[in-house]
Amino acid sequence: QLQLQESGPGLVKPSETLSLTCNVSGGSISSSDYYWGWIRQPPGKGLEWIGSVFHSGSSFHTPSLKSRVSISVDTSKNQFSLKVRSVTAADTAVYYCASLWRATDVFDIWGQGTMVTVSS
Amino acid sequence: QSALTQPASVSGSPGQSITISCSGTSGDVGNYNLVSWYQHHPGKAPQLLIYEDSKRPSGISDRFSGSKSGNTASLTISGLKAEDEADYHCCSYAGTTLHYLFGTGTKVTVL
Repeated sequence: QLQLQESGPGLVKPSETLSLTCNVSGGSISSSDYYWGWIRQPPGKGLEWIGSVFHSGSSFHTPSLKSRVSISVDTSKNQFSLKVRSVTAADTAVYYCASLWRATDVFDIWGQGTMVTVSS
Repeated sequence: QSALTQPASVSGSPGQSITISCSGTSGDVGNYNLVSWYQHHPGKAPQLLIYEDSKRPSGISDRFSGSKSGNTASLTISGLKAEDEADYHCCSYAGTTLHYLFGTGTKVTVL
């Protein structure tokens, strides 16, 4: 049974870089059946897809964040990571990692999420 | 890009049926049979309920059903139970630029 778990700092200062890691267990991140994605939910708002990465390292992102976001994969550790540069208070959110099943474009397994607050 | 539009809240009594709408455009909901629905109890991982507009993953109760008409998708919960009280989110594939759009989210209250 595939499981995902986010980790990273809960507090980031404005203008700095937010860095999160998602550990994948119960399956291989090198599976060709999946992309691996990041989704966030600001307080009181809906979910927002941030971006996704394939085990090859190929990634794609939402246009609104594209210039500040990078997503990478470490197959040796079965992990993938998110970096958001130059953060502001608007980046305060619960961040989720999820597996994206390529055959159906669906996020089928999610982590529990980690709250990240941007504040000085 | 804009999020898909959902009602902020929907409520019903135990045993009743409720329907949550998810309104998009001809570029997303109306163009692909790729709407999915997620149930989210606060503090827990969201759970996939419906994919490809109307398909249920194994293990999901048949009380949950999905449908679509034009640019609007719907999730119906029949035989409402207390445990169904949660937030519900729709998502649609939106092409190779926007990729994935989520809805604004709906809070379901069981009276």
